[in-house]
Order: sequence, then structure tokens, then C-alpha cells
Amino acid sequence: GNSVTQMEGPVTLSEEAFLTINCTYTATGYPSLFWYVQYPGEGLQLLLKATKADDKGSNKGFEATYRKETTSFHLEKGSVQVSDSAVYFCALRGQGTGNQFYFGTGTSLTVIP
Amino acid sequence: GAVVSQHPSRVICKSGTSVKIECRSLDFQATTMFWYRQFPKQSLMLMATSNEGSKATYEQGVEKDKFLINHASLTLSTLTVTSAHPEDSSFYICSASGGGGINEQFFGPGTRLTVL
Repeated sequence: GNSVTQMEGPVTLSEEAFLTINCTYTATGYPSLFWYVQYPGEGLQLLLKATKADDKGSNKGFEATYRKETTSFHLEKGSVQVSDSAVYFCALRGQGTGNQFYFGTGTSLTVIP
Repeated sequence: GAVVSQHPSRVICKSGTSVKIECRSLDFQATTMFWYRQFPKQSLMLMATSNEGSKATYEQGVEKDKFLINHASLTLSTLTVTSAHPEDSSFYICSASGGGGINEQFFGPGTRLTVL
């Protein structure tokens, strides 16, 4: 079956630190992979996505590479800002499963000045 | 991006009562809406998928008679938790697709339900 395992938080970093949030997945076929972000009091927003192996998704300084050999889609940012404080969800959309998404548990990130 | 709203954002009710949660797509027509449930520190769990004008498809283990879903228009879906009990207390999130291509879902801010 399809599932996503995500690094547990909470994560606290100082401003300008390097961020990595690990995400691995289990899926049949060739899923699409996503990172969503949820800011306090708001809905989930798509941060970036990758639809095939070796694709790199990037947005707002964040990036993640679809690694089929390690079934991973780790989120990275070289220099975090206070405004990046949020909860980050890794998700996959399985091949041939319509539009159904499978989410990780979410990782809370707090960036302190 | 497209905007999805939910109402109410928080609701507290007594055990045995029914609660209705609305999900609206504000600036696009949502052919498909999804309802998720999230327990503290756990994943979003898909409860059901609804297409406008047809019956919802429920995931295994979700009681369709307890969680009534209606998708009567292209901009509105409702989830009614019938005869709510404390174990139904959770965070309910809806999402909608149809405005940004089939690969993307736009999420609402969620509704916190507390059943006393």
C-alpha cells in the first residue's frame, strides 16, 4: 500500500540555519510527491511537488528531489527565516488512485531570531 | 492560488447532537471535494471523496451513516457528524480540486470539533 513516513518534530532552528526535513515513502508504481505547508490558522498550501524520479521541486528557497532509489523526498532550505515557521507535510499521490493523497504526520518548524 | 473556506472554524457540542461543517470553494468550481480527519500528531486521514451531484465514496472503516456528506453544488460540500460522541472530537479538513488541474488539491483551514 501507499504510505508516507516523515521526520518527527518539533524542530527549532535559529534564523539562517540549514533545514532538512526527512520524508520517505512506500508506494506501488510511480507516485507523485508533494510538500505542503500549513501556517498558523491557515489551510494547507502546496509548497512544491515532483512527479517523476530525479525531478526537483523548488519554491521560496525550499527544494526537494524525488529519489526513487532511496524512496525519499527530503525537504531542504539553505537559510531559514522566522516567516518559515509552520507545519510541513510530506504527501504522495499514488499512481492510478485517482486524486487520493497520503500524508505524513507533519513536522512543526519554529525559527527563532 | 484558489481559496477554500470552512465554517465553522471551531465548534463545541454536547454528546448526541449533530454538527454540520461547510466547505466552500470561493473562486473556482470544485468538481471533487475531499474530507480528511486529523488526530493530534497524526497524519491527515482521508474519510471520503465527493463529486458534485453524486454520492460520496467513503474510505474503508468510515461510517457513512455517521458522517453524512453532501456535495450539492460546485462550490459547496457539507459534512454532518450525526449523534456525535467524544471520540469524534478531531480536526476536520476539506479540500477541493477542479480549479488548478487534476493533480492539485486546495485545502480549507480546518474545523476543530470538540464533543463534550
